Amino acid sequence: KAGVTQTPRYLIKTRGQQVTLSCSPISGHRSVSWYQQTPGQGLQFLFEYFSETQRNKGNFPGRFSGRQFSNSRSEMNVSTLELGDSALYLCASSLDLSGADTQYFGPGTRLTVL
Amino acid sequence: KNEVEQSPQNLTAQEGEFITINCSYSVGISALHWLQQHPGGGIVSLFMLSSGKKKHGRLIATINIQEKHSSLHITASHPRDSAVYICAVMNYGGSQGNLIFGKGTKLSVKP
Repeated sequence: KAGVTQTPRYLIKTRGQQVTLSCSPISGHRSVSWYQQTPGQGLQFLFEYFSETQRNKGNFPGRFSGRQFSNSRSEMNVSTLELGDSALYLCASSLDLSGADTQYFGPGTRLTVL
Repeated sequence: KNEVEQSPQNLTAQEGEFITINCSYSVGISALHWLQQHPGGGIVSLFMLSSGKKKHGRLIATINIQEKHSSLHITASHPRDSAVYICAVMNYGGSQGNLIFGKGTKLSVKP
C-alpha cells in the first residue's frame, strides 16, 4: 500500500504570495491532519479533515485554510505569505479521526518564504 | 509552561546502552503518542497508548495516567536509533487543536 504523499516537496515563495500544498492519504484513510514544524515552535497542529469536513482547527490565523475532497485528498492554502510561514508542513492520515487511530505521516513540504 | 514537557532535550549514548526518554503533560488526554523523526523530516508513529505499557521490538512505552507521565525506553541502543523522539498528547474536551507536541528529544547513539 502506498504511503502518504505530499506535493511539492520543496517550495520557494516571496512575501505576499499565496501557496497551495497537496496531500494524498493512504488508500482507505478518511482523516487528514496538517501540521507546521518550525525550529522555534516545534510541531503545531493546523487542522483536521474527516469526510470532507473540517473537524478541528489549531490556533493559526485565517490565512491558513484547507479542504478535503471526496477521494480524501486534501489541500492546504496559505495566503499573503509572511517570512514566519517558512516551515516544514506535514500531513498525516488515519483510518478514523486522529484521536482514535494511529497517524501515518507524509514526508512533508518544505516552504521557504523570502 | 508548555503543556507537554520532554526530558532530556539532548541525549548521547554509546551503542548497547539502555535509554529512557521522559514526557510529562499537564492537560487531560485521551491518548499519548511517541513519534520518531529522522534527519530529513520523515516522521514515524512508534506508539499510541492510553494506559499501561506497549512493546515493539527493542522499544517499550509506558504511561501513568494518574501521574501524567510517560516514558519511552530503548534497549540495546544502536546508531540507527539516532533520531528526534517526540511525545504528543491527544487532548480531549478542548476546542482548539488536536495533538499537542513536546519539543522533542534528540538522541545520538555512537558506535
